[in-house]
Amino acid sequence: DAGVIQSPRHEVTEMGQEVTLRCKPISGHDYLFWYRQTMMRGLELLIYFNNNVPIDDSGMPEDRFSAKMPNASFSTLKIQPSEPRDSAVYFCASSLGLAGHNEQFFGPGTRLTVL
Amino acid sequence: GEDVEQSLFLSVREGDSSVINCTYTDSSSTYLYWYKQEPGAGLQLLTYIFSNMDMKQDQRLTVLLNKKDKHLSLRIADTQTGDSAIYFCAERYSGGYQKVTFGTGTKLQVIP
Repeated sequence: DAGVIQSPRHEVTEMGQEVTLRCKPISGHDYLFWYRQTMMRGLELLIYFNNNVPIDDSGMPEDRFSAKMPNASFSTLKIQPSEPRDSAVYFCASSLGLAGHNEQFFGPGTRLTVL
Repeated sequence: GEDVEQSLFLSVREGDSSVINCTYTDSSSTYLYWYKQEPGAGLQLLTYIFSNMDMKQDQRLTVLLNKKDKHLSLRIADTQTGDSAIYFCAERYSGGYQKVTFGTGTKLQVIP
């Protein structure tokens, strides 16, 4: 398996523009997570899905952020409109079920810069 | 609330042992983890410990868990320059949910 795939790897945009980040989880994993990492706040959980259904979105900063998972192999995180304070590295991770230690497998991240 | 705390930075000499510490708040945590993040990459699971254990050893890594004090540590023996990375402590809660809370991360610098 290729692991968790994220695209794009780098995104530079201007304030006010819409940004869409994409994630393909590991095949067969039924949990998907979106995280944001900044120097100031560290690693924050934004939202996670189970079987394509959002379970906890309490970490989503505000209404400008939205996430979808239309099927088991694809998820998007959208920011509209983007602001400079959204600049961060966004990680997607996936894991399998509830049994065992449930390792989360992280993608390489998308580095977002909002000018 | 849920909170996982770590010191931000640790510097050690190559060949010495490194000890990275973490405190957490949820006494009902089921699993506790150590993840490693190398520059420009995502996090990768290094090791984990189940909450009914107090120690786990895996080659150069030793995890110690003190449930009474809610304290977790990671010891790396014979630290190498390749161990330079950010190390995240994390806890998973009981209740069957997958939510894991990560600490702030400790940046380990290994001096040759």
